[in-house]
Amino acid sequence: NAGVTQTPKFQVLKTGQSMTLQCAQDMNHEYMSWYRQDPGMGLRLIHYSVGAGITDQGEVPNGYNVSRSTTEDFPLRLLSAAPSQTSVYFCASSYSGVHEQYFGPGTRLTVT
Amino acid sequence: AQSVTQPDIHITVSEGASLELRCNYSYGATPYLFWYVQSPGQGLQLLLKYFSGDTLVQGIKGFEAEFKRSQSSFNLRKPSVHWSDAAEYFCAVAAEGAQKLVFGQGTRLTINP
Repeated sequence: NAGVTQTPKFQVLKTGQSMTLQCAQDMNHEYMSWYRQDPGMGLRLIHYSVGAGITDQGEVPNGYNVSRSTTEDFPLRLLSAAPSQTSVYFCASSYSGVHEQYFGPGTRLTVT
Repeated sequence: AQSVTQPDIHITVSEGASLELRCNYSYGATPYLFWYVQSPGQGLQLLLKYFSGDTLVQGIKGFEAEFKRSQSSFNLRKPSVHWSDAAEYFCAVAAEGAQKLVFGQGTRLTINP
């Protein structure tokens, strides 16, 4: 199993540009989530999904969209990037809810 | 709403010394509690978790944690640290049955040779 994969590893965007961070898992996990990690703030939940077709907001959802059309994939979309979205983004999955989440390697995003 | 506080931003210990990382949570009912570790440039890995039962839980890599309801704490311990334990450690809490995890700010551990 590849586990949780994220692409790209690094990305630089200009303010106002859009992009999609990709996340895929091959463990048949129902639960998937996106976090952002900022210095001194730990990880904060952006959006999560408990199964295909079901998504919900986390702690910091503004400026981000998600969809879950398959069990395997959970992309995160930035519609109009802002410098405040400069961060490291982690995708995670688990068989059920927040029980033992498996994390991807992260995407480091810089918005200039 | 639940919250997690890790009072120590950075801790330095000598190799072979014991370690205790502090975690305090805020939640009315019995929480689900977790400790994750993040090595530099990596994602997070689960060290251990507490859902119910025995308040002393064992994890991977020789770590353990003790749930103390009276103190709202879930401190992580290791009797003898190794240089490879240098990493950032995160405590997290979820409401029972909840779909959301709330992380503490993290504690960065440095090991002196």
